[in-house]
Amino acid sequence: AQSVTQLDSQVPVFEEAPVELRCNYSSSVSVYLFWYVQYPNQGLQLLLKYLSGSTLVESINGFEAEFNKSQTSFHLRKPSVHISDTAEYFCAVIANSGNTPLVFGKGTRLSVIA
Amino acid sequence: DAGVIQSPRHEVTEMGQEVTLRCKPISGHDYLFWYRQTMMRGLELLIYFNNNVPIDDSGMPEDRFSAKMPNASFSTLKIQPSEPRDSAVYFCASRYYLDTQYFGPGTRLTVL
Repeated sequence: AQSVTQLDSQVPVFEEAPVELRCNYSSSVSVYLFWYVQYPNQGLQLLLKYLSGSTLVESINGFEAEFNKSQTSFHLRKPSVHISDTAEYFCAVIANSGNTPLVFGKGTRLSVIA
Repeated sequence: DAGVIQSPRHEVTEMGQEVTLRCKPISGHDYLFWYRQTMMRGLELLIYFNNNVPIDDSGMPEDRFSAKMPNASFSTLKIQPSEPRDSAVYFCASRYYLDTQYFGPGTRLTVL
């Protein structure tokens, strides 16, 4: 079975400052990793994903995440945040071998302060 | 594709009434998931289907909850009778095999 730990439930940050949202996972098998974003009163949307290949993956709006197998981490970073990045961010993992559901972390609420 | 479609978007009902939430997954997707989200409990997986067959319903909170998927294009989540503690946002999601999972916009349920 897989599990996900998002170490911070809330992260306040000033506009144009860098941010890192931390995610650690546990699994006895190889996994795929995802970050989802949920804006207020909306459903979850895929932000980026790691399936294989380069361990650094990027989103279209400037976020990036790096898969670190030795540390079992998939932290999300952005060098300069905007007010519009205010949202809840969910890290998720799935075994790449089986027909199982995504396992989500509890989420991190990012609040960008003007 | 229009994405995952859920209806209604908002539902207000009185305690004891039956509530039916509906979901149309993305065409071609073979997995369908029902989630519930509350401030207190976060995002909870209730049940999921593969090729219209329920695979795991261990997240369904009580016998008052039931879900069906009569065909690949439609699923329902029913609560009978509803209670105030069922108030939440209910999400439907679908995916094809291990590909990206797509969420619907959710149904906000309020039970008075």
